Formats: sequence, C-alpha cells, structure tokens
Amino acid sequence: NAGVTQTPKFQVLKTGQSMTLQCAQDMNHEYMSWYRQDPGMGLRLIHYSVGAGITDQGEVPNGYNVSRSTTEDFPLRLLSAAPSQTSVYFCASSLSWTGDKKGEKLFFGSGTQLSVL
Amino acid sequence: GQQLNQSPQSMFIQEGEDVSMNCTSSSIFNTWLWYKQDPGEGPVLLIALYKAGELTSNGRLTAQFGITRKDSFLNISASIPSDVGIYFCAGQGGSEKLVFGKGTKLTVNP
Repeated sequence: NAGVTQTPKFQVLKTGQSMTLQCAQDMNHEYMSWYRQDPGMGLRLIHYSVGAGITDQGEVPNGYNVSRSTTEDFPLRLLSAAPSQTSVYFCASSLSWTGDKKGEKLFFGSGTQLSVL
Repeated sequence: GQQLNQSPQSMFIQEGEDVSMNCTSSSIFNTWLWYKQDPGEGPVLLIALYKAGELTSNGRLTAQFGITRKDSFLNISASIPSDVGIYFCAGQGGSEKLVFGKGTKLTVNP
C-alpha cells in the first residue's frame, strides 16, 4: 500500500498565484485532513473531511479551499497565494473519526514544502 | 480553544542519555498521543494513551497519561542517534478535534 501520497514535494509560487496541493490515500479512509507546520507553531489544522462530500474548517482555514468528491482524494487549493502561506503542508487520513480512539490511526503523508515569494 | 504547552522546545543530549519531555493543558483530555517526525517526513504515531494514570511502553519509549488528565509525559531511555527528530504530543477532549503541541526537537550527539 502507498498509504497517504502528497504531491508535489516542493513548490515555489509568486504572490497571487493559485495552485492545488494533491493528497490521495489508498486505505479506504473516511477521514482526511490538512495541516500546516510552521517553526515553533506545531501542526495546525486547516480543513478536514469526515467522508466524501463533507468538509469542514479547522483552526486556520482562511485562504484555503477544499473539496472531497471521492473517498480517495482531498485536494487543498490556494486561490491567491500569500507569503504568509509559506509553510510545510501535511495531509493525514484515518479510517474513521468516531468513537474513543480517534487519533490512534492518523496516517500522515510526507509533506509539501511551499514557498510563496 | 484547547491548547497544549509542550516542553522543552529543544534538547541536545549525548547518546546513551535518558530523555524526558511533557505536555500540559488547562483543559481535560480523554486521549493523549505521542508522535515522532523524522526530518523531511510526516509524523508517525509512537504511543496512544486513553486512561488517566495509564503507563504505556513502546521499546525504549514510555509515556504516561497524567492523573489530572491535563498532562502527559514521554521518556526515552538510552538514546541513540536515530532518536533524532521532533516529538509531538497531541490531545483530544470534548471538541473532538486533535490538538497538537508545538513539538520538542531532539538532537542526539554520538
């Protein structure tokens, strides 16, 4: 199994450009999410989805859009990139997000390093 | 919202030394998790804790769920160079969203 696959690994954008970060999982996971990691800030939740057709905002959603048309894919869109969005982005998925053991099986991708100039 | 205070922010130790790090919160959590992130990779779950007072080991790693449910500790015994990385605590309480600490960056000198 490939697990959680993120593309691209690295990306440089100019301010105002748009792009989509791709995330795909082949584990039939219901729950998918996007985090950003900044120095000294830890992991902050951007958006998440508990199933196809369902998305919701996390802690830092502004400037990002998501959609979940299939169980496998959860792309993150930057409509107009800003320097403040320079960060490392992680996609994570889990079989489900119900019950007591929600965080036990959260699988992370290897990340996308984004620089906005 | 719920916040976690993770300390220390960074540690520089010699190979063979023991390591301790902790997370505290003003909120009560039902679940405490510890993740490790290797350079250039995503975090990987090390230990999950679900009960106040619970002590769980994974090889040289031992983690505890604090009695007050507001803190958790991770200990690494006899550190080795491959222990290098960033260790994150994460907690989950009534909001059902996983909250991450800011991480402890561990450097192990051979």
